[in-house]
Amino acid sequence: EAQVTQNPRYLITVTGKKLTVTCSQNMNHEYMSWYRQDPGLGLRQIYYSMNVEVTDKGDVPEGYKVSRKEKRNFPLILESPSPNQTSLYFCASSLRIPGLAGGSYEQYFGPGTRLTVT
Amino acid sequence: TQLLEQSPQFLSIQEGENLTVYCNSSSVFSSLQWYRQEPGEGPVLLVTVVTGGEVKKLKRLTFQFGDARKDSSLHITAAQPGDTGLYLCAGVKTSGSRLTFGEGTQLTVNP
Repeated sequence: EAQVTQNPRYLITVTGKKLTVTCSQNMNHEYMSWYRQDPGLGLRQIYYSMNVEVTDKGDVPEGYKVSRKEKRNFPLILESPSPNQTSLYFCASSLRIPGLAGGSYEQYFGPGTRLTVT
Repeated sequence: TQLLEQSPQFLSIQEGENLTVYCNSSSVFSSLQWYRQEPGEGPVLLVTVVTGGEVKKLKRLTFQFGDARKDSSLHITAAQPGDTGLYLCAGVKTSGSRLTFGEGTQLTVNP
């Protein structure tokens, strides 16, 4: 089954304790991105990747890191989480890069990771 | 300030009513998408519109892309409880490669 998987689905942690949220897609998609969703603010892009070893900042990158060593995986790293990073996080992938002519950039989203930082 | 502004933010209606949700911007977009998100799940694509003035229909849902490609609307006819969810518009600016989302419209259709 074609899908985007995220782990863990739920995580409660304390300020300053490094954590990683994994994301994997099995559709051979080029483009992957991370979003956070907060009430009234919609989905805000944290980081995105156009291909292996190519990553770039989105709208709210502060406090986050990513890597894209393999095409299928795009982990989100919080080196020193803080309470303002409490949020619902989504990983997404698409076959092509948004905006490229002739490409399908339908975003396939993972099920989400609800993170609470106390 | 949101690049894409959706209105209304919340909408609660009775089954059978019609409704329209708007997605507006001062920027020009090469294309706009509409997604629907249910509780506990990620958003799922409903439609992509790419041509100014384009109208697409998906059963009881009608999507329109503004002539100037700065805005879009979603019209639902005879809403049903199964239409309940968060509707998100998303767009790619001309010459851009990033997808930007609006803040969403939470629709509740009461039986």
